[in-house]
Amino acid sequence: GAGVSQSPRYKVAKRGQDVALRCDPISGHVSLFWYQQALGQGPEFLTYFQNEAQLDKSGLPSDRFFAERPEGSVSTLKIQRTQQEDSAVYLCASSAVENQPQHFGDGTRLSIL
Amino acid sequence: QKEVEQNSGPLSVPEGAIASLNCTYSDRGSQSFFWYRQYSGKSPELIMSIYSNGDKEDGRFTAQLNKASQYVSLLIRDSQPSDSATYLCAVSDSGGSNYKLTFGKGTLLTVNP
Repeated sequence: GAGVSQSPRYKVAKRGQDVALRCDPISGHVSLFWYQQALGQGPEFLTYFQNEAQLDKSGLPSDRFFAERPEGSVSTLKIQRTQQEDSAVYLCASSAVENQPQHFGDGTRLSIL
Repeated sequence: QKEVEQNSGPLSVPEGAIASLNCTYSDRGSQSFFWYRQYSGKSPELIMSIYSNGDKEDGRFTAQLNKASQYVSLLIRDSQPSDSATYLCAVSDSGGSNYKLTFGKGTLLTVNP
């Protein structure tokens, strides 16, 4: 497609469950980013991929968060043993190369009960 | 801790007026600056990017950058009700992690018909 595609759009899980969020970037974009956006806040950086290499994971809140991009295109953000504080919108963005403007997907709204 | 500060608003302007949105940042070495528009429940949409001091115009939008003052602004001329949204200022980190964006909390703009 023409834009960044994320799925699912909404995810409800019980505390303690594992979840997986998918991002399909703009075709040909080398750089892929994950952000977390809490209500009333700006997006906060989680992790960065250049092709299949995860170059920066400094924003991941805990070792329960794991991201991968094995073939350099689609990426998955996995959260294990979810907690209520994980409830947020998870945004994926991609850019053609590292310092070009980032374009965002519609996000996944995650609610942990 | 790198910071990006914006007035949270709401900023209310009448239709046809100029809306002025302001942003300050703490990382003196930042080189790339972006304005995103975010409608409620939607993803951030890139409006403007600016990299050098001065003004950059695109249609009804003008971005202004002053690196010495660590200040970036967005002017919206002839404001329309459809411009009502939250406007996010994003600033790239300096140095080796210049791919990473730090966002402000956003300014809520309301344009009244």
